[in-house]
Parts: sequence; C-alpha cells; structure tokens
Amino acid sequence: KAGVTQTPRYLIKTRGQQVTLSCSPISGHRSVSWYQQTPGQGLQFLFEYFSETQRNKGNFPGRFSGRQFSNSRSEMNVSTLELGDSALYLCASSLAPTGLREKLFFGSGTQLSVL
Amino acid sequence: DQQVKQNSPSLSVQEGRISILNCDYTNSMFDYFLWYKKYPAEGPTFLISISSIKDKNEDGRFTVFLNKSAKHLSLHIVPSQPGDSAVYFCAAKLSGGKLIFGQGTELSVKP
Repeated sequence: KAGVTQTPRYLIKTRGQQVTLSCSPISGHRSVSWYQQTPGQGLQFLFEYFSETQRNKGNFPGRFSGRQFSNSRSEMNVSTLELGDSALYLCASSLAPTGLREKLFFGSGTQLSVL
Repeated sequence: DQQVKQNSPSLSVQEGRISILNCDYTNSMFDYFLWYKKYPAEGPTFLISISSIKDKNEDGRFTVFLNKSAKHLSLHIVPSQPGDSAVYFCAAKLSGGKLIFGQGTELSVKP
C-alpha cells in the first residue's frame, strides 16, 4: 500500500508570492490533516479535512487555506508569502477523523523556503 | 499557548542505557496521548500511545508512563540503540478534537 505522498518535495518562493502544496493520502483514508514544522515550535496544527469538509482549524492567519477533493486528495494554499512561512509542511492521513483516536500516517513533507 | 510542552530540546544517551523523554501538558481534558518518532527528511511515524484511563503502556523496548495528577507523560526506551536517534514528539488529543504536538526532543544515542 502506497504511503502518504506530498508534492513538491522542495519549493523556493519569494515574499508576496503564493504557493500550493499537494497531498495524496493512503488509499481508503478519508481524513487529511496539515501541520507546519519549524525549529523550536514543533508541529503546529493547520487544519483537518474529512470527506471534503474542514473539521478543525488551527490558529493560523487567513492566508493559509486548504481544501479536499472527492478522491480525498488535499491541497494547501498560502497566499502573500512571508519570510516566517519558511517551514516543513507535513500532511497526515487517517481512516477516520483524528478525534476518534485514529493514528496519523505522515508524508515526508514539503520544505518551503521563502526568500 | 503551548498546551503540550517538551522542555528538553535534546538528550544524549549511551547505547544500552535507558532514554527517558518527558512531556508536560496543561489541559486536563486530553483523553489520549501518543508518541511519534521522526528521522531527518522523513515524516513522523507513530510509536506508542496511551489512554488517559491507564498509567502505563508497554511495547517491546518502549514504555509510556502517564501521571495524570502531575499532567506528565514520559517515554522510556530500554535499551537504547543508535537507530533510536531521532526527534521524538509527544502529542495529546481532546475527545473529538485535534491532535496537539509538543516541540520535540532530539535523542542522540552514542555507540
């Protein structure tokens, strides 16, 4: 069974640009969560989607948005990039929503650098 | 507001000895706790979990202890092996809610 796939693996953007990251969950998984990892801050929760509906949202500005498609694939968009958005963005999938004690399966992440 | 805290950013242990990673939380409503391990250039992988109704869960070399009165969680690795060198994240879950992670502790096991 293929794991969680995130594309692209690396991305370099400049301030003010926007970026779209993609995540394909494990086949059969309907829940997708997004996390931002920065040194010293650990994994900060961005949002979670289940069956194309956003279930939970973290404390990030509106520049961060996401969506989930009918095939459970998810995209995350960041508009008007800032230097502080440089981070590793991780996507995780699970069979059911995370609130039901489901284990998360993570992808390898997209390393975003904002110059 | 950091509800889950790992106050030690790094830990160095000799091979064969015990590694103890600690985690503190502030929200008494968390009902499930998990540990994830992360190698460089890879996503975190699930290691072990514990329900809030238990105080210990063991899986091979890994044991998680939960002290609810102290709001403290710890992961014991015995014996430690060089392949255990990684960043360890603890996470806590609210019933029906999102998973909240700590900042991570980088474990280095020296041969």
